[in-house]
Parts: sequence; C-alpha cells; structure tokens
Amino acid sequence: NAGVTQTPKFRVLKTGQSMTLLCAQDMNHEYMYWYRQDPGMGLRLIHYSVGEGTTAKGEVPDGYNVSRLKKQNFLLGLESAAPSQTSVYFCASSYSRVTYEQYFGPGTRLTVT
Amino acid sequence: KQEVTQIPAALSVPEGENLVLNCSFTDSAIYNLQWFRQDPGKGLTSLLLIQSSQREQTSGRLNASLDKSSGRSTLYIAASQPGDSATYLCAVSFSNYQLIWGAGTKLIIKP
Repeated sequence: NAGVTQTPKFRVLKTGQSMTLLCAQDMNHEYMYWYRQDPGMGLRLIHYSVGEGTTAKGEVPDGYNVSRLKKQNFLLGLESAAPSQTSVYFCASSYSRVTYEQYFGPGTRLTVT
Repeated sequence: KQEVTQIPAALSVPEGENLVLNCSFTDSAIYNLQWFRQDPGKGLTSLLLIQSSQREQTSGRLNASLDKSSGRSTLYIAASQPGDSATYLCAVSFSNYQLIWGAGTKLIIKP
C-alpha cells in the first residue's frame, strides 16, 4: 500500500495564479483532511471531507476550495494565490474524525511570490 | 478557546538519556490525544494514540501518559538515540470534533 500520496511535492506560483493539489489514499478511509503548516505554529485545518461527495470548512478555509469526487481522492484548489498562502500543505486520512489515528502524506511545499 | 501548548520548543540531550516531552491543553473534554513525529521535509508519523478513557500507551521505548484533569500529556522516550532526532507534535481531539495541534518540540539527540 502507498498510504497517502500528494502531488506535487514542490511548487512556486506567482500572485494571482491558480493551482490544484492532489491527495490520494489507498486505505479506503472515509475521512480526508487538508492542513497547512507554518513555521512556529501547529497544523491548521483548511477543509475536510467525511465521505465521497462531501466537504466541510475547517479553521482557515478562506482562499481555498476542495472537492471529493472519488473516495480515494481529495483535491485542494487555490483560485488566486496570495503570498500569505506560502506554506507546507499536508493531506491526511482516517477511518473516523476523532476516534482513529490520522495518516499523513509527505507534504507539498508551496511558495507564492 | 481550545489550545494545545508544547514546551519547550526545542530540546537537545546527549545520546542514551531518558527524556520527557510535554503537551498541555486547555479543555479536559477530549476524545483522544495523539503524539506524532515529523522528520525534516517529510510528513507526520503517528506514534501513539491515547483515548480519553486511557491513562497511558506504550510502544517500544516510547510511553505516553494522559491526565485529563490537569490537561497534560507527556511523551517519555527511554534510552534516546540519534535516530530519535525529529520534531514531536501533540494533537488533541476535543469533544466538539475539533482537532487542535501544538506547535511541536524539536528534539536533537547528540551522539
């Protein structure tokens, strides 16, 4: 099993450009999450999904959109990138929201200039 | 506001020592608490998950304890090794379904 994979691993965008980050998991997990990690701070939840076709806002959703068209994939979109979105983005999945442990992808380092 | 705090932010100890990492949280109404390890440029690896009904969990040289009444958890690492060098993160699932993360403790084990 590959676990949780993320593409791309690195990306540099100019302000105003758009992009999509792809997360895939092969563990048949219902729950998937997108986090961002900034220096000196804990992970912050951007959006999450409790199953195929569902999405919900997390702690810091502004400027991001997500889609879960297939159970194994969770996409994070930036429609108009801003320098404040420079961060490391992690995708995670789990069997349930709070009871089971979360499994993480390797992360995507995004720089917006 | 629910918060998770990890102190110290960084810790350096000689190889072979036993050490304790701390995690404190502001609300005792939790579902569980997880300890993660993060290596530079990599994702997070779950080390131990403690449910709210449990007092501790052990895995190899790692032991995590939970004291809900005082809002504290500790991660004990026995006989530390250079390979234990990483950032250790604590995450708490609160009863309102919020998962809140600490900022982590960067651990360096000196050979």
